[in-house]
Amino acid sequence: QVQLQESGPGLVKPSQTLSLTCTVSGGSISSGNYYWSWIRQHPGKGLEWIGYIFHSGTSYYNPSLKSRVTMSVDTSKNQFSLKLSSVTAADAAVYYCARDPLDGYGHFDYWGQGTLVTVSS
Amino acid sequence: ETVLTQSPGTLSLSPGERATLSCRASQTVSSTFLAWYQQKPGQAPRLLIYGTSSRATGIPDRFSGSGSGTDFTLTISRLEPEDFAVYYCQQYGSSLWTFGQGTKVEIK
Repeated sequence: QVQLQESGPGLVKPSQTLSLTCTVSGGSISSGNYYWSWIRQHPGKGLEWIGYIFHSGTSYYNPSLKSRVTMSVDTSKNQFSLKLSSVTAADAAVYYCARDPLDGYGHFDYWGQGTLVTVSS
Repeated sequence: ETVLTQSPGTLSLSPGERATLSCRASQTVSSTFLAWYQQKPGQAPRLLIYGTSSRATGIPDRFSGSGSGTDFTLTISRLEPEDFAVYYCQQYGSSLWTFGQGTKVEIK
């Protein structure tokens, strides 16, 4: 059973960089064709896709956040990461990592439990 | 970007009743790329339906999806107590994933 687990600081100061890591267990990041994505949910709101990374390091970001997002992958640790720069209060949200199985349907079959990030000085 | 609009915002029903949730897209969505998720408080979304009408592993057959073009529907044939939650539709197109704003199914 594949499991995803987000980790990182729950509090980030305005203008600083948010950094989160997703650790995958029960399967290897590099064992198959998957897109590994980050998705966020503002409090009481809907879901926003941030971007994905492939095991090769190829990535693609939501154009609305592209200028501030960097994703990376560490296959040796079975982890992938998100960095979001110049954060403001609008970036406070629950951040999820999730997997698109690249089965041709463009959906997310496994999700992490989510981690709440607060932006405050 | 394809905007998904879900209706109603809240659906108040009793256990055993039928729930019909709507998802309307701002432009045509391939039926291959339309999915539905269920989210309970404090939990991550759970995949229910993908490809408009295919149930994900372990999802009971009281959940069904249908639709095409710009109009899609999630139907829960008989609500069980554990079905009261928020439901989101999601589409993929032009290398972008977007979600609807959600429909809350609450106990009447």
